Amino acid sequence: DSGVTQTPKHLITATGQRVTLRCSPRSGDLSVYWYQQSLDQGLQFLIHYYNGEERAKGNILERFSAQQFPDLHSELNLSSLELGDSALYFCASSATGGRNTEAFFGQGTRLTVV
Amino acid sequence: GQNIDQPTEMTATEGAIVQINCTYQTSGFNGLFWYQQHAGEAPTFLSYNVLDGLEEKGRFSSFLSRSKGYSYLLLKELQMKDSASYLCAVEPSNDYKLSFGAGTTVTVRA
Repeated sequence: DSGVTQTPKHLITATGQRVTLRCSPRSGDLSVYWYQQSLDQGLQFLIHYYNGEERAKGNILERFSAQQFPDLHSELNLSSLELGDSALYFCASSATGGRNTEAFFGQGTRLTVV
Repeated sequence: GQNIDQPTEMTATEGAIVQINCTYQTSGFNGLFWYQQHAGEAPTFLSYNVLDGLEEKGRFSSFLSRSKGYSYLLLKELQMKDSASYLCAVEPSNDYKLSFGAGTTVTVRA
C-alpha cells in the first residue's frame, strides 16, 4: 500500500457526461501528480500540483481540469467525455515538488466511457 | 520534449538475468527513474539515477550514461513475480514534467 488513495476504483459513464476523480496523497506529501494510462499510449503526464498551486501541465485536454485543495487532496474533473477518454487514471504524490523525488502511485481509477 | 525508447517485450527464464535498455533524447536532463508495474496495478518505484554509473539495489541494478542518453535496468536471479512492465521515466532539468517510456513487458518462464 503506497498510502495514496484514489476513489472511485471503477467508473462507467456515458459519452458527454462529466466525472470527478479524487486523490488523497500520502500524509505529509505536498505534491500531487495526475497521469492517464491507456493501452495504446502508455503513461501520460497530465498535471502537477504543489501545495495547492499548479506547477506543471502536460498534454491535458481543455475538457479536463484539476485542483488541489487546502487539505492537499486533489480532484481531476473530466467533462464532455468521449470514448477515447477510457483509461486508467493514476494519481501520485511526493514529499516535495522538487527534483530527485520518488513519487508514490495510487491504485488508479479505471474509467470506461460507453 | 523527450523522446524515450525501450523494447516492447522481453522473455527470460527463471533464475536468469535480463537487461532492459532505455534510450532518450531530451532538451534538458536531470535524472532517470525506473518503475515496475504489474498488470492493472500502480507503478512502484525501483530506482533513480542522476549521475553516470551503476546503482545496485538487491537483485535490481540501474545504469546511466548521460553523455550517451542511455540507461539500463538489470534484473538478476529472475523470479516469476518479476513478470511485469518496466517503465523508464526521464526527469527534465527545465520543468517538472516526468515523461515515461511506453514500458517493456518482461515475461519470466519456468
